[in-house]
Amino acid sequence: DAGVTQSPTHLIKTRGQQVTLRCSPKSGHDTVSWYQQALGQGPQFIFQYYEEEERQRGNFPDRFSGHQFPNYSSELNVNALLLGDSALYLCASSLDQAGAFFGQGTRLTVV
Amino acid sequence: AQSVTQLGSHVSVSEGALVLLRCNYSSSVPPYLFWYVQYPNQGLQLLLKYTSAATLVKGINGFEAEFKKSETSFHLTKPSAHMSDAAEYFCAVSDRNNRLAFGKGNQVVVIP
Repeated sequence: DAGVTQSPTHLIKTRGQQVTLRCSPKSGHDTVSWYQQALGQGPQFIFQYYEEEERQRGNFPDRFSGHQFPNYSSELNVNALLLGDSALYLCASSLDQAGAFFGQGTRLTVV
Repeated sequence: AQSVTQLGSHVSVSEGALVLLRCNYSSSVPPYLFWYVQYPNQGLQLLLKYTSAATLVKGINGFEAEFKKSETSFHLTKPSAHMSDAAEYFCAVSDRNNRLAFGKGNQVVVIP
């Protein structure tokens, strides 16, 4: 079992650009959540996908959007990048209340 | 809304000494509580979880936590610190859909 995998591991983008991050959940997990972790902070919930629909959303602007595919994998898209979007983006997959399992994250740097 | 509070961002402990990290939660419903560990430049690894079964929860790497409803606490302990325990530790509370709310974390430094 490969666990939760994320790609790419690192990314550098320019202000105003758009970015897409990808996540493959742990085998058998049907729910994918995305978190943003700024340097020195705890992760903040962005949104969660279940059955290809956005089920919950945190306090993030509409520039942050996502998608879940039939195989449960997911994408996070961020438009009109700001310097403040620089962070570690974490994907977590889960199934019932067993807890969420996290990927290694994608380090996004906006310059 | 559910939330957790972790006090003291940096915790220094001598090798072989007790590790104690404090976490207090706020939840309007019976909570699901978790401790995660994060090593540098890595994702989060689940240490242990409380899901309304036993109040004393044992996790990986010798860590355990006790759920105390009367104190709304879920403190993490390890009897004897090892150099490999140096990392950042996060307490989290979740709703029934596994939406996690994290504390600010404790950076643990182990002194030889």
